[in-house]
Amino acid sequence: GQSLEQPSEVTAVEGAIVQINCTYQTSGFYGLSWYQQHDGGAPTFLSYNALDGLEETGRFSSFLSRSDSYGYLLLQELQMKDSASYFCATGSNTDKLIFGTGTRLQVFP
Amino acid sequence: DTAVSQTPKYLVTQMGNDKSIKCEQNLGHDTMYWYKQDSKKFLKIMFSYNNKELIINETVPNRFSPKSPDKAHLNLHINSLELGDSAVYFCASSPGLAGGPDTQYFGPGTRLTVL
Repeated sequence: GQSLEQPSEVTAVEGAIVQINCTYQTSGFYGLSWYQQHDGGAPTFLSYNALDGLEETGRFSSFLSRSDSYGYLLLQELQMKDSASYFCATGSNTDKLIFGTGTRLQVFP
Repeated sequence: DTAVSQTPKYLVTQMGNDKSIKCEQNLGHDTMYWYKQDSKKFLKIMFSYNNKELIINETVPNRFSPKSPDKAHLNLHINSLELGDSAVYFCASSPGLAGGPDTQYFGPGTRLTVL
């Protein structure tokens, strides 16, 4: 089967750095995506990793280790507006995205 | 311009009723999806269509029937609604199929409450 695991909740203060981990079991794995969802909103795409290593997009970076079936999202210089749920998702040869259980990030002043 | 739009945004109805949700995307994408997000925020794919053809039917009860009149539209009809159908339903689209690197663009969601 396919499964992804993330921590259910992470808290941090403004200006800090936080890492959200994701471990997966996915047959025919292609890549790992990250999506952000604010309360009452829709998921929005943040990043995609197909190869091992770090991808950086502004304050957000995403890492993938295919050999470890592991990835993480790194959020730097946290802002209050970063309070949201973050989902990792795996793409595979099944032509569908499987989403993780989501990590709720709360940023405190 | 809204990229992926859904109507209605909220839907409150009684058990046993039939209801429809409509979705339209103006991104020129080939693939559209329906997802269900439950109260625990678990996001699960229900269906995907590529150029109006059904690609994925994720063991959804046959009370749910998607229809894609053209590649810009994907509607969801639900018969005999049950309490467990209460959830937020998201439509999404992507340029190609979901397995690859294409970003999926989500609509604003339809919050369905079955009483």
